[in-house]
Amino acid sequence: DQQVKQNSPSLSVQEGRISILNCDYTNSMFDYFLWYKKYPAEGPTFLISISSIKDKNEDGRFTVFLNKSAKHLSLHIVPSQPGDSAVYFCAASLSNFGNEKLTFGTGTRLTIIP
Amino acid sequence: DTAVSQTPKYLVTQMGNDKSIKCEQNLGHDTMYWYKQDSKKFLKIMFSYNNKELIINETVPNRFSPKSPDKAHLNLHINSLELGDSAVYFCASSRLADNEQFFGPGTRLTVL
Repeated sequence: DQQVKQNSPSLSVQEGRISILNCDYTNSMFDYFLWYKKYPAEGPTFLISISSIKDKNEDGRFTVFLNKSAKHLSLHIVPSQPGDSAVYFCAASLSNFGNEKLTFGTGTRLTIIP
Repeated sequence: DTAVSQTPKYLVTQMGNDKSIKCEQNLGHDTMYWYKQDSKKFLKIMFSYNNKELIINETVPNRFSPKSPDKAHLNLHINSLELGDSAVYFCASSRLADNEQFFGPGTRLTVL
């Protein structure tokens, strides 16, 4: 039973435009959401997170939006740069404290076209 | 400076063998994790340890045994390797105060 889903396996975006990556979840007990970026042959790297008490969190070019009623979150990258080409994983946990496991989506491969 | 390191990076072995993967973190974190990424690229939690104590064990076969000699190390020992164990294994760590997990580079295990 996949509780976190990323329905787009891949996405191509022109450099300088906005990239929007989507994620849906089914477990209403999830309280904390994270986005990770992964390059080939490397481990996932934390990008940005959001608590369920917020609907938006921004960090530089990255913004995460959370719609709790729809159980949906999205990551916006603007402007997109070639170095953003990677696989992006959405993850969720029951709290924002350590000791909690992260439940991951299957990832979206983002390709930025120069 | 490597924050979370794993050895080896690649491991090729025969079915039935026993192997270990080592993980070390120099971030001073209290909690360490093992995740498995299967052929469908699905990253799934296996274990977590907090200060050498097992916290999460996600119905992993008992052929897999984590060992934490101290809070900076979490090793994964696998007995009687099977073809289905072929995957990339990631170690991670986090503080107790938040759940931002830092991942190692992964160990690609291939069982022939």
